Parts: sequence; C-alpha cells; structure tokens
Amino acid sequence: DAKTTQPTSMDCAEGRAANLPCNHSTISGNEYVYWYRQIHSQGPQYIIHGLKNNETNEMASLIITEDRKSSTLILPHATLRDTAVYYCIVRARGSQGNLIFGKGTKLSVKP
Amino acid sequence: GAGVSQSPSNKVTEKGKDVELRCDPISGHTALYWYRQRLGQGLEFLIYFQGNSAPDKSGLPSDRFSAERTGESVSTLTIQRTQQEDSAVYLCASSIDRGGANEQFFGPGTRLTVL
Repeated sequence: DAKTTQPTSMDCAEGRAANLPCNHSTISGNEYVYWYRQIHSQGPQYIIHGLKNNETNEMASLIITEDRKSSTLILPHATLRDTAVYYCIVRARGSQGNLIFGKGTKLSVKP
Repeated sequence: GAGVSQSPSNKVTEKGKDVELRCDPISGHTALYWYRQRLGQGLEFLIYFQGNSAPDKSGLPSDRFSAERTGESVSTLTIQRTQQEDSAVYLCASSIDRGGANEQFFGPGTRLTVL
C-alpha cells in the first residue's frame, strides 16, 4: 500500500468547513483513498473512499486531484463532535488483510 | 442494523492471569480483525481471519497471544500470563472482504488494564 502524509494537527471553528489534506504521491492506478476517523475512546469509523472522482456522502466529501497524488477530506459544517484523529489510507480495492494506520491528523473543532 | 460488539468493555486483571476478550462481528462479514491500541499510540494489527482460510497471525506479539474464530461468527482473543505491557484497548473489526471496497467496521473495544 502506498505511503500517505498528513499534517499532525489542525484546528477548525465550529460551523466552518474542515479541510483535511493528504499526500499520496506514490499511489498506483488500482489504489483507492480511504478515510477513517477515531473519536476519543472509540473505535475507528469509516468515512468515505474514492478512486479518482470526487465523492460525497452524508458524512463528508472527498476531493482527489487529477494526478491522484493528493486528496482533501471536507467536513462541510464541522461540529464539536467531529473532533477526532483522521486517517488517510491508500489501499487497492479488493485487497484483503489489515489496514495500516499512520499517525493521522488530530482535528480539533473549537466553539 | 447491529454493529460489531465486544465484551467486556473494560477488564482489569492481575499480572500473570489469563484473559479472554470476545468479538461479535456484523452478520455476514467474512473477515474479522483484531488490533491493539496502547494509550496515545496508533493501531497495531494482531490477527486476521478470512472465512475458512488459515488466519494471518503475523501481528501477534508473542506466543502468549492467541485467537480463535467459530466459522464466520464470534472470535475470542486470549492473552495468557498477562503482563503490564499488555495494557491497551483491544479493537475488533469486521468486513465483507469479497473484492469490494472492504471498509472495516470497528467495535467499541475492550480496555484491558493489567495491574
């Protein structure tokens, strides 16, 4: 699986959009970008994934650059409950086995 | 529908005792994973079950750790002769793992404290 790079921490004001970047410059053609988050004292939670088109679901939007070397997870209206560590993971679709979690980005949503 | 459940939610034990942690995956999920997360640290993979295949035990830290799974159902992680460094949150996850997106769904974890 390709390596990802994320900022260690970010702050966001409540009600504003949170934009979390991820670099994955060595991503290969069959690898998807997945995002998970882990709220304090809970297990990780799947958010969204995508290949090359932008994706949106009830939780977030995922914007992937045309060259696929980076992506941005967008929480359109961050709430205090979105405070968590966000993990960007690159993985081939259909691959099996464990996820490899890096250090992620600690997002702090502040009132 | 029901998510992944784990029990107990908290376990305090004395050094040297054996513990069993239980995971009930989402019904129909063929793959089951155990991870460990020490305080302030990232997730460490322990073991992976996929259907009837031999489990991937490559993440188990020592022979004191073992896990079993009954078919595509419940799994038990056993730690023998617990040590203080075993203190962590033990997380279980399940996924369909049939060539699709394979997103993993995690349980709430069991917090193990070894005194």
